[in-house]
Amino acid sequence: AQSVTQPDIHITVSEGASLELRCNYSYGATPYLFWYVQSPGQGLQLLLKYFSGDTLVQGIKGFEAEFKRSQSSFNLRKPSVHWSDAAEYFCAFYGSSNTGKLIFGQGTTLQVKP
Amino acid sequence: DSGVTQTPKHLITATGQRVTLRCSPRSGDLSVYWYQQSLDQGLQFLIQYYNGEERAKGNILERFSAQQFPDLHSELNLSSLELGDSALYFCASSVNWGTEAFFGQGTRLTVV
Repeated sequence: AQSVTQPDIHITVSEGASLELRCNYSYGATPYLFWYVQSPGQGLQLLLKYFSGDTLVQGIKGFEAEFKRSQSSFNLRKPSVHWSDAAEYFCAFYGSSNTGKLIFGQGTTLQVKP
Repeated sequence: DSGVTQTPKHLITATGQRVTLRCSPRSGDLSVYWYQQSLDQGLQFLIQYYNGEERAKGNILERFSAQQFPDLHSELNLSSLELGDSALYFCASSVNWGTEAFFGQGTRLTVV
């Protein structure tokens, strides 16, 4: 079955510390991968995407993600977290080639300590 | 601002009622998606339209229906509402499937 797993439901980091949010997908081919961020009461904002090519992709707000085919992973990273990064983060991918169904993980809530 | 507009932002209604949620996609986007977000189910894909045609269907209840109009705006109709239908309903749009989808701010539906 096609699915996305975000193993960490909740993560707390100190401001200025580095961050890595994990994402693993289950799919028979290389999917189109995305990370979205949702602040409380807000919609989902696209952080970055991977379609093909360079496996390290840069996004907005200083985030980057690395696609690792061998591990079926697409982890999100940021070298130095800011208090404003506190939000919920979702990994997602397009599965079947003939539909637009975007499959989401359960999300990781990031808390930033001052 | 993603460019996707959803109205209304909040909706409170009673069980058994019917409501309509509206979505205007980004200019140039032909594909519209509807998602439901609840605490216990997370983000669930409901349905996708592409240029007026239904393209994909997810976990959409029979009490729910949607359509995309010639001007590409979309409406999600929820009928015979139950308490469990209380959730955030998001609309997203993209140029086509497989391209990045941009989300609206959502409609928070509360069924009392």
